[in-house]
Amino acid sequence: NAGVTQTPKFQVLKTGQSMTLQCAQDMNHEYMSWYRQDPGMGLRLIHYSVGAGITDQGEVPNGYNVSRSTTEDFPLRLLSAAPSQTSVYFCASSYVWRDRGHGYTFGSGTRLTVV
Amino acid sequence: GIQVEQSPPDLILQEGANSTLRCNFSDSVNNLQWFHQNPWGQLINLFYIPSGTKQNGRLSATTVATERYSLLYISSSQTTDSGVYFCAVNSGGSNYKLTFGKGTLLTVNP
Repeated sequence: NAGVTQTPKFQVLKTGQSMTLQCAQDMNHEYMSWYRQDPGMGLRLIHYSVGAGITDQGEVPNGYNVSRSTTEDFPLRLLSAAPSQTSVYFCASSYVWRDRGHGYTFGSGTRLTVV
Repeated sequence: GIQVEQSPPDLILQEGANSTLRCNFSDSVNNLQWFHQNPWGQLINLFYIPSGTKQNGRLSATTVATERYSLLYISSSQTTDSGVYFCAVNSGGSNYKLTFGKGTLLTVNP
């Protein structure tokens, strides 16, 4: 049981390049989300999905696109990378247990640098 | 949107000491989570606690929803407790849209 797998772990992009951060989960969780973490700050929600075919914007969606064609995968696309998108990106899947409430499993993160 | 404030921002302890971390939030919540981010960056979900008290080993958490705060207690701290502790809440809409505080950086020295 791998949990949430993010690839790549590290990436350097030039300004204007595009790329896709991959996220896959094998726990059959309906809910998935992307966060970014900047120094000295908590995590900020970029986009989230409540199930296959359904996505919505979070707090900082500009410059990012997502899609959810399957329950397992939730890729994050940077359309035209900017230095302001230098950050650590985390993918999470979420579940509801009847007796334990909401729970979250995070991937190990992708450290992205835009030069 | 909802505001989340955590205190203290930094905390240094000797191994074996106890500590209390606080999370204040500006609106009623229907989802409150505590997370631990270890020094290698991995985030672990500790508690789901929109109200009441829960315990898990040396860690426990209490949320007083009417007064809009939550406390995380760490007893007999160990060096492996080091890292950043985040409180995250949701006050409406999808329960999965969390707003995070800036965290408390805990350092436990041997």
